[in-house]
Amino acid sequence: DVKVTQSSRYLVKRTGEKVFLECVQDMDHENMFWYRQDPGLGLRLIYFSYDVKMKEKGDIPEGYSVSREKKERFSLILESASTNQTSMYLCASLHSSGNTIYFGEGSWLTVV
Amino acid sequence: AQKVTQAQTEISVVEKEDVTLDCVYETRDTTYYLFWYKQPPSGELVFLIRRNSFDEQNEISGRYSWNFQKSTSSFNFTITASQVVDSAVYFCALSEEGQETSGSRLTFGEGTQLTVNP
Repeated sequence: DVKVTQSSRYLVKRTGEKVFLECVQDMDHENMFWYRQDPGLGLRLIYFSYDVKMKEKGDIPEGYSVSREKKERFSLILESASTNQTSMYLCASLHSSGNTIYFGEGSWLTVV
Repeated sequence: AQKVTQAQTEISVVEKEDVTLDCVYETRDTTYYLFWYKQPPSGELVFLIRRNSFDEQNEISGRYSWNFQKSTSSFNFTITASQVVDSAVYFCALSEEGQETSGSRLTFGEGTQLTVNP
């Protein structure tokens, strides 16, 4: 089975802190994604990566950056956390020849 | 631009009732893919089904069934004889052909919270 693991399930950070959300997949997938989930808005794509060191902006990239130094790992970075970034963050991965995205369990981030 | 609308924010039923979750989509493409995902309280999204735009056959998988109506741009999901374990948030999603890979740019609906009471 595909496994997508998000290192932190629950985080509380202060405004202005730098925040790293880590995601690791164990199926050698080329594509990885970061989504944000908010009530009433569904899931919105922040960034995605289709290869090592490659990244593309999603629909709401402002305030975020990403890093893909290794194929299995995709990190989401909040350079200076703000309260409006309090949300649930979901990582996902997909093989280039596949048709189903697999999601991690999510990371609940609260910025105070 | 593509859009997915799940008008039902919350649905509450009693166990063994049938329930239908609505999904309406908008896209300009003739080739596209529709998905349903289940998100239990644990948070992880679980893939349920993928359907491409050329396949309008309805599908049944156990207590789950899906009704794809291209004429009304709808892809509704029915749970028959609901159970408490079906309680979750259900998301409908759309991706268009021409992306890096099919499903790579999923547009999600707002989600429907289904509560099945014993």
